[in-house]
Amino acid sequence: GENVEQHPSTLSVQEGDSAVIKCTYSDSASNYFPWYKQELGKGPQLIIDIRSNVGEKKDQRIAVTLNKTAKHFSLHITETQPEDSAVYFCAASNEPGTYKYIFGTGTRLKVLA
Amino acid sequence: DAGVIQSPRHEVTEMGQEVTLRCKPISGHDYLFWYRQTMMRGLELLIYFNNNVPIDDSGMPEDRFSAKMPNASFSTLKIQPSEPRDSAVYFCASSLSRYSDTQYFGPGTRLTVL
Repeated sequence: GENVEQHPSTLSVQEGDSAVIKCTYSDSASNYFPWYKQELGKGPQLIIDIRSNVGEKKDQRIAVTLNKTAKHFSLHITETQPEDSAVYFCAASNEPGTYKYIFGTGTRLKVLA
Repeated sequence: DAGVIQSPRHEVTEMGQEVTLRCKPISGHDYLFWYRQTMMRGLELLIYFNNNVPIDDSGMPEDRFSAKMPNASFSTLKIQPSEPRDSAVYFCASSLSRYSDTQYFGPGTRLTVL
């Protein structure tokens, strides 16, 4: 079955710097890769996603890149702000029509003011 | 749109007691997912439904766990009897398959079994 590895587990950056979180997946059939942000005491919220037919997607300060050959995808946050501090999860879905995700283990991002 | 609604938000119970967690998905969504989140195991999919029918319950840890979806607007996850190792945050999520893979999560229920 699918396995998703996420690194790093914790990340501290200075406000204004960039943050990068990386995930690798094992099943080459995976075709949908969402990223979720989870704030303390809340449920995960989708922040960006990418499909296997696209190499990069950007939404303001957030971007996701996908390398299908290497089977990895990354989240890039530029100009980080204190409110970006949260736990970020990547996920992969490889069962079209089932919408079943396998989640990474999460990255705790701290943006230092 | 009220989003996914879960109740209760916090539950403290004693070992051996029955626990019922409730979820109301976003209106019109046809997929419903139950997840468990712990520090050790992260986010685990327990079971998911499509049009009220359980599709995959391979993540349900054992027979003490059961889930139902009697109608499109309500689902329950029951643990009977509960054990301390069941302590976790349980999330419900829903998805509208017609337009998107995106799963929308509820706020979660924090369960503590003493």
